[in-house]
Amino acid sequence: AQTVTQSQPEMSVQEAETVTLSCTYDTSENNYYLFWYKQPPSRQMILVIRQEAYKQQNATENRFSVNFQKAAKSFSLKISDSQLGDTAMYFCAFISYNTDKLIFGTGTRLQVFP
Amino acid sequence: DAGVIQSPRHEVTEMGQEVTLRCKPISGHDYLFWYRQTMMRGLELLIYFNNNVPIDDSGMPEDRFSAKMPNASFSTLKIQPSEPRDSAVYFCASSYDAGNTIYFGEGSWLTVV
Repeated sequence: AQTVTQSQPEMSVQEAETVTLSCTYDTSENNYYLFWYKQPPSRQMILVIRQEAYKQQNATENRFSVNFQKAAKSFSLKISDSQLGDTAMYFCAFISYNTDKLIFGTGTRLQVFP
Repeated sequence: DAGVIQSPRHEVTEMGQEVTLRCKPISGHDYLFWYRQTMMRGLELLIYFNNNVPIDDSGMPEDRFSAKMPNASFSTLKIQPSEPRDSAVYFCASSYDAGNTIYFGEGSWLTVV
């Protein structure tokens, strides 16, 4: 069975600092996507960044970047220059090319302090 | 481009009443998903459709829940009769293809009193 684990229920960071959120996953598949979704207090699920497993280069979206370690099945999210608006719940998620179901981790609540 | 559109955004209803949640997926997306989010259970996949056909409804909690997709641009999730434990945020989401990025609507907050 495929699983996604986020071991940090809560994290905090000061504004303008950098924070890294951890995610590990388990799968026997070779072709898949990994995602980070952000859920602010409004509860909307916003796609932050995605990584295709066949790509060795780590995905980057402005202040957001990932460290994708396929052999270790690790997919961490780095937020640089943290902003107050980054305060949210962050979900790591996995989907295999062979399935239709997105599997979520339990989430990490990030608080950015002024 | 318009994203996934859900309605209503918020609904408060009395126990026993029928609730209908609506969703318009992104145009051209063949997959539509209904998720439920609660504090206790996190994000749960209730049901999903491919080309308007229900593929997996194993996540639907019980017979009180039903979902339909009469055409490619519209789906409903119905709860009848509603119970307080159905209170949750219900998300509709869609994707272009299997194993591809899933885009979420803004969610429907349901409170059953």
